[in-house]
Amino acid sequence: EVQLLESGGGLVQPGGSLRLSCAASGFTFSSYALHWVRQAPGKGLEWVSAISSSGRTYYADSVKGRFTISRDNSKNALYLQVNSLRAEDTAVYFCAKREPSTTLDSWGQGTLVTVSS
Amino acid sequence: EIVLTQSPGTLSLSPGERATLSCRASQSFSNNCLAWYQQKPGQAPRLLIYGASSRATGVPDRFSGSGSGTDFTLTISRLEAEDFAVYYCQYYGSSPWTFGQGTKVEIK
Repeated sequence: EVQLLESGGGLVQPGGSLRLSCAASGFTFSSYALHWVRQAPGKGLEWVSAISSSGRTYYADSVKGRFTISRDNSKNALYLQVNSLRAEDTAVYFCAKREPSTTLDSWGQGTLVTVSS
Repeated sequence: EIVLTQSPGTLSLSPGERATLSCRASQSFSNNCLAWYQQKPGQAPRLLIYGASSRATGVPDRFSGSGSGTDFTLTISRLEAEDFAVYYCQYYGSSPWTFGQGTKVEIK
């Protein structure tokens, strides 16, 4: 069974940083692209970033230059380094697995990032 | 960037009724990389439809997707109690991936 478990969220001041983690199990981690998607309180889904199985990275314009996605295949872990945080970055951050023949077929339960002074 | 616009914002229906949700793209794309997700309060999204019309594993056949180019539709043939939720369409053909703003299907 595929499992994705996010952690690392919390309350941070504007301009601060966090490192979000996603621990994966139940599939061959190194073979799959992985994504981060966020959802502000009471709002819709917003795609944030992706990393391919080979390590190529992609970002939404809203986070480019501030967020960095990475992966550690030896630890079956996905990361999102979030810097220069703004109030509008407040959201639940989900990690998701990309199934090549479909799309984001497995999701974690999310970790909440709150940016506030 | 492909912008997806979903309509209506809210759909008020009774169990057993048919639901028709629309997703319109700002530009046409030929690879049909359009997905639909269901999300219930406090839960992660669940993949329903990929490739515009293929049901994901375990999705009941009352859910169907159709469309191409710029206009896509999710149809729920007969609403059941567990289908009342928010539905999002998503473009996944190339970066940046984008989501529509969602359609809430609520009990009338």
